Amino acid sequence: AQSVTQPDIHITVSEGASLELRCNYSYGATPYLFWYVQSPGQGLQLLLKYFSGDTLVQGIKGFEAEFKRSQSSFNLRKPSVHWSDAAEYFCAVSPRGGGFKTIFGAGTRLFVKA
Amino acid sequence: DTAVSQTPKYLVTQMGNDKSIKCEQNLGHDTMYWYKQDSKKFLKIMFSYNNKELIINETVPNRFSPKSPDKAHLNLHINSLELGDSAVYFCASSQGVGSDSSPLHFGNGTRLTVT
Repeated sequence: AQSVTQPDIHITVSEGASLELRCNYSYGATPYLFWYVQSPGQGLQLLLKYFSGDTLVQGIKGFEAEFKRSQSSFNLRKPSVHWSDAAEYFCAVSPRGGGFKTIFGAGTRLFVKA
Repeated sequence: DTAVSQTPKYLVTQMGNDKSIKCEQNLGHDTMYWYKQDSKKFLKIMFSYNNKELIINETVPNRFSPKSPDKAHLNLHINSLELGDSAVYFCASSQGVGSDSSPLHFGNGTRLTVT
């Protein structure tokens, strides 16, 4: 069955420290991969996406993610976290060749401490 | 210049009532969606329309009926509301054309509370 796993329900990081949020997927073939961020009371905003090519993708707000086919992973990273990064982060996949059905992980809540 | 807008932002109603949530996108996208986010933040797709045609209809009670008068609008009508319908409902759109799956653009959500 298709699924997206974000093993960490929540993570606390000190401001200025580095961050890595984990994402693993289970899919028949390599899907399209996304990370979204949701601030309180807001909708989800796309941080970055992987379709093909370079496995290290850059996104907005200084985020990057690395696709590792052998591990079925697409982990999100940021070298130095800012207090404004506190939010809920969702990893998502959708099938190649259409289908329009994006599947989301359960989310990881990021807390940033001063 | 809001891309995906949905109204109302908050909706408080009693069990048994019928309510509607409206959604509009000005991105020129072909595909629109309704997602439900439960209290644990889990997001689950409910419906998707592509050029006004229903293409995804997940296991949703038939009390929920989407309507797409044109490709820029996708409304959600809910009959006989139940306590379990309380959630945040997100409208989204994408430029899907059947051979690719582009990112989703979300509205800010409608928090539905059924009492």
